[in-house]
Amino acid sequence: SYVLTQPPSVSVAPGKTASITCGGNNIETKSVHWYQQKPGQAPVLVIYYDRDRPSGIPERFSGSNSGNTATLTISRVEAGDEADYYCQVWASSSDHVVFGGGTKLTVL
Amino acid sequence: QLQLQESGPGLVKSSETLSLTCTVSGDSVSSTNSYWGWIRQPPGKGLEWIGNIYSNGTTHYNPSLKSRLTMSVDTSKNQFSLKVSSVTAADTSMYYCARFTAADAFDIWGQGTMVTVSS
Repeated sequence: SYVLTQPPSVSVAPGKTASITCGGNNIETKSVHWYQQKPGQAPVLVIYYDRDRPSGIPERFSGSNSGNTATLTISRVEAGDEADYYCQVWASSSDHVVFGGGTKLTVL
Repeated sequence: QLQLQESGPGLVKSSETLSLTCTVSGDSVSSTNSYWGWIRQPPGKGLEWIGNIYSNGTTHYNPSLKSRLTMSVDTSKNQFSLKVSSVTAADTSMYYCARFTAADAFDIWGQGTMVTVSS
């Protein structure tokens, strides 16, 4: 089955740029989606189709996908961005959804 | 504005069947190309996909749970449902329902409902 690998944690100072990676075999051939989950809340879609932002998501959130790694980038990080972030793909070969293990973003 | 709301027992006994319902408002559960899904999250852990159901009744299940799952759609109530049989403590989780888009992403989520399996 397809596996997505994320670092357990990433730390960043306010105002800096955070990069959260999502590794998968030839992931560039898949569409990658990203979710933000704050404590006690349901996940929120922040990036879909590798780099598109849903309505209401700040431009500070961006995504890319190349080779075996997809990346969520958060520019000018704010305290309110502190959350868990999950990547997700559709494994078409087996018709199922795969989530990465999640990355806890800490704003120092 | 589309909204989803999970409902069901918060406590289920081990070996019994967990049953949850997701009520859809702001859209029809049977809209063309409507896809709906269930995701769960054990306390302190990551997201686990359970399965999807399509407006035509087609289902896709997580292979690790497939033998215990049943999903259905009730168009008269604008709801879709999840049943997990033979539950154990490992099924204790927050359960979310969500809309699964044509982009293969979950764009709208319910607030979630916590289910605890007791022995």
